[in-house]
Amino acid sequence: GDSVTQMEGPVTLSEEAFLTINCTYTATGYPSLFWYVQYPGEGLQLLLKATKADDKGSNKGFEATYRKETTSFHLEKGSVQVSDSAVYFCALDSNYQLIWGAGTKLIIKP
Amino acid sequence: DTAVSQTPKYLVTQMGNDKSIKCEQNLGHDTMYWYKQDSKKFLKIMFSYNNKELIINETVPNRFSPKSPDKAHLNLHINSLELGDSAVYFCASSPGTGKFNEQFFGPGTRLTVL
Repeated sequence: GDSVTQMEGPVTLSEEAFLTINCTYTATGYPSLFWYVQYPGEGLQLLLKATKADDKGSNKGFEATYRKETTSFHLEKGSVQVSDSAVYFCALDSNYQLIWGAGTKLIIKP
Repeated sequence: DTAVSQTPKYLVTQMGNDKSIKCEQNLGHDTMYWYKQDSKKFLKIMFSYNNKELIINETVPNRFSPKSPDKAHLNLHINSLELGDSAVYFCASSPGTGKFNEQFFGPGTRLTVL
């Protein structure tokens, strides 16, 4: 079945560092791909999405490009802030639901 | 003007009790979901309703029973609570079940079974 694999956390970075969180997927067909973010004590919220190959989703300085050839959707940000500390989830849509990665906890130190 | 709301936010109860969690969305969405998130943040879908009809019913103990009185509400009733039911339960909604549909999450209900 369809699946999503994310890099294990926690990922710990200093403020203003470059961020990459890896996400790869296995799917039949051409799913849409999503990154959701969960801040401490809150529900998940959509960060960005891409609906077809080579699309780039972006929001709040974060970017991810839908790479069909490598079945990847890595999340990047050029300069992270303490306020970016959260858990990040990669997901794809499949059969009326989202298939979720395990989540990657990001810790940004000042 | 909360989009997806859940009550209660915290629920502490004894093993063997029965409890309910309520969810309401004011977004006009057709589809609603219940998720369970464990202590390692792993997210597992439990149920999904589309226009009050059950469309996803994952492998979940039959002690868990969802109920959708209308498409704006999806409640979760849990019988005979067990220690392993302790988790955060999230309700979510989306415009429909097709591709590109963003899911909107509630703030979660933290259930602790003692």
